[in-house]
This record gives sequence, structure tokens and C-alpha cells, in this order.
Amino acid sequence: AQTIHQWPVAEIKAVGSPLSLGCTIKGKSSPNLYWYWQATGGTLQQLFYSITVGQVESVVQLNLSASRPKDDQFILSTEKLLLSHSGFYLCAWSLWGGGAETLYFGSGTRLTVL
Amino acid sequence: QQQVRQSPQSLTVWEGETAILNCSYEDSTFDYFPWYHQFPGESPALLIAIRPVSNKKEDGRFTIFFNKREKKFSLHIADSQPGDSATYFCAASGGSNYNVLYFGSGTKLTVEP
Repeated sequence: AQTIHQWPVAEIKAVGSPLSLGCTIKGKSSPNLYWYWQATGGTLQQLFYSITVGQVESVVQLNLSASRPKDDQFILSTEKLLLSHSGFYLCAWSLWGGGAETLYFGSGTRLTVL
Repeated sequence: QQQVRQSPQSLTVWEGETAILNCSYEDSTFDYFPWYHQFPGESPALLIAIRPVSNKKEDGRFTIFFNKREKKFSLHIADSQPGDSATYFCAASGGSNYNVLYFGSGTKLTVEP
């Protein structure tokens, strides 16, 4: 069975501080990987996707970056947090070749920027 | 430009009634239209999806109706139950990039017993 693990579960950070969020998928080789952001009570905004190791495509510019250092790992980061970065960050995977059709979401990281 | 529009923002129905959630989209090349639901404190999960080759997709009490000409689709939840209370998101993908899924703004559904 496939499992997706996100870390940390929650973060409280200061404006201007760096951030690194992670996601690991087990039990599925070469998945497509995605990062989504959800403001409190808001919609889901796709940030990045990756269909292979070392390749990441940006969907929107929010002063964030992403990397895929391993087949099963996806990292979201920034060097300087903004207040607007607060929200719920969700990692998701789909089958390779299947596009962003059936997305399986992780349990998310809740980020509060003060 | 918002690719997918969703209404209403919130909806309350009585147990046993049919809840109707509506969405419209901009890009006529979209060809995959899923609905996700999200319970409080949880992550979204796929509920049901449709492709434009059909104008209707049923799965138990959940039905998607699709109108390609008007670029609209809706989710009907028959015999609504209190356990259906959640936020429902419509979405669309396809066209030039199958790796991007655009979500609507969500409908918070409350089913009163």
C-alpha cells in the first residue's frame, strides 16, 4: 500500500525566516508529485509539480521553490517567509503518466507566519 | 483569471434532500472534471469524476451532470446524510497541461438532521 508522509505537521515561523517542508511517498515508484497551498477556508492552489527526479515545474509564483532530490521525496522551501505564506500545505501524488487526475493528498503541514 | 468558478459558497439542506453544487470553467480544452471532498481537519479526497465523452456520471448517491456547450457541471448528492457535511471542491484539468489541476473555491455543505 502506498503511504505519503509530510513533515512537519505544523510550524510557527517568523516573517523573514527560512522554511523547509518535506514529503515522502512509499510504496509507489516514479510517482508524479505536487505541492498545493490552501489558505484557511480557501481553495486549493497548485504550486509545483514534478514528474521525475530533478525536474520541477512552477505553476504560480509565490516566492517559494521546490526540489525533488529523490524519486520518493519532494521538498518545498523559501529563504524568507512572508505573512501571506501562512496556510495549509499539501503534498500529493498521482500515477506516472496519469497527469493531475486522481490526486492522493498527504495529511498536510499547517504553517503560521507571525 | 479564475479557471474554475464554484457556487454556492455554502449550502444547507435537510437530511434526505438533494444537494446541488455548481461549477463552470473557462478553458474549453479541459477534459477531466473531478469533485473532491474535504472533511474538517482532513485532506481532500477524490469523490467522483467525469470526462466530456459523457454528460452524466453516477456513483451511488453522487451524480455529476455535465454540459459541454455551456461549460458547466454540477454535483448532485441525493438523499443527503449528516455524514455528507464537508467542503466540496470541483476541479478541471487537461488542455495544454495535464499536470495542473485547477480547483474551484469550494462549497461548504451542511446537512441538518
